[in-house]
Amino acid sequence: DIQMTQSPSSVSASVGDRVTITCRASQDISRWLAWYQQKPGKAPKLLISAASSLQGGVPSRFSGSGSGTDFTLTISGLQPEDFATYYCQQASSFPHTFGRGTKLEIK
Amino acid sequence: QLQLQESGPGLVKPSETLSLTCTVSGGSVSSSEYYWGWIRQSPGRGLEWIGAIYYSGNTYYNPSLKSRVTISIDTSKNQFSLNLSSMTAADTAVYYCARRQPGNWFDTWGQGTLVTVSS
Repeated sequence: DIQMTQSPSSVSASVGDRVTITCRASQDISRWLAWYQQKPGKAPKLLISAASSLQGGVPSRFSGSGSGTDFTLTISGLQPEDFATYYCQQASSFPHTFGRGTKLEIK
Repeated sequence: QLQLQESGPGLVKPSETLSLTCTVSGGSVSSSEYYWGWIRQSPGRGLEWIGAIYYSGNTYYNPSLKSRVTISIDTSKNQFSLNLSSMTAADTAVYYCARRQPGNWFDTWGQGTLVTVSS
């Protein structure tokens, strides 16, 4: 299985800050990567697919980049509703594996 | 608006088989564009992809669960289902059903259902 390693596991930030979350795949997955946001008690929400394609309705302050094994999710100008846990998922090969998550907390 | 809703028991005894159903509204499981999948989440295992099914009945399973998993689809009821046999405490998790886009990511999820394995 492809291992997905996210860092950091948690980060504290303030409203208005810029935050970057990293996801590293254990082998080349090209751009077959998605990012999800999950709030407590809710299902994950797809934010970004194909490494950098923003889903409809997702604010433009979210952006994704990367290819191969290294990927980033950047949130520019944090809003109160952005404090949540973020997961990456590789979609290159079965089984489709997820990272362990990055919890974004209010400083 | 597409909605998915899981249903099934919240408590399962060890060694028994879990049966969950996902009812789809606002869309059709007969669509040729999508697969329909199951994912579970637990503190110990994180998010874990279980498997997916196409309207034709074609399935993909996580190899780690393949010997215990069966996913089926009922296009007449617009539902798909998960059976997971030989349940143990390690299978305690929130189980989600979701729609899988052609790119293999999940764009619409059910609210999730907590399944606890205990005698």
